[in-house]
Amino acid sequence: DGGITQSPKYLFRKEGQNVTLSCEQNLNHDAMYWYRQDPGQGLRLIYYSQIVNDFQKGDIAEGYSVSREKKESFPLTVTSAQKNPTAFYLCASSNRLAGGPHEQFFGPGTRLTVL
Amino acid sequence: DAKTTQPTSMDCAEGRAANLPCNHSTISGNEYVYWYRQIHSQGPQYIIHGLKNNETNEMASLIITEDRKSSTLILPHATLRDTAVYYCIVSPLGSARQLTFGSGTQLTVLP
Repeated sequence: DGGITQSPKYLFRKEGQNVTLSCEQNLNHDAMYWYRQDPGQGLRLIYYSQIVNDFQKGDIAEGYSVSREKKESFPLTVTSAQKNPTAFYLCASSNRLAGGPHEQFFGPGTRLTVL
Repeated sequence: DAKTTQPTSMDCAEGRAANLPCNHSTISGNEYVYWYRQIHSQGPQYIIHGLKNNETNEMASLIITEDRKSSTLILPHATLRDTAVYYCIVSPLGSARQLTFGSGTQLTVLP
């Protein structure tokens, strides 16, 4: 079945540690995205990538880093510079059709808790 | 990107139609209206999108006013599994950085 997988589902880390969240898709989509969601809030864009080896900052990129070495993978690293990292992290992908609308497909999310 | 305004919460009886409004009075000509929903602690799910004409798919119908300043998502026969937060989003064509999620409407379907 085609889709997006995120691992792990729950993640705990100690303050001051870096942690990497995995996101893999087998939909052959060009574009991938990372969002953060805090309780009772909407989603906020952290980073996005339209093509391999290229990515752009979203609205809240500080304290995060990404890489896009393969089309199907877009890992997110939450660094110790992120002051309030406890949140629900969602990865998405889409087919980047020039000039047209396109839906985003979301993974199940990773809930990160900093202890 | 244009901003949207949605009610914070709504209730609907099971089996009845759920009508979720969205105001997007500053929408520009190249922006689509998208609807997504998010069931608790899951990733959002795409429902439908439209530009100026009304649209229908197997999940819902989207009614966009003639001036495009507002729209309504209609779930024709709501079930308990439709309880979720519904997001109305407007976004321009051809941009990967396209979705800005607000707080949405919490729809609760009551038995």
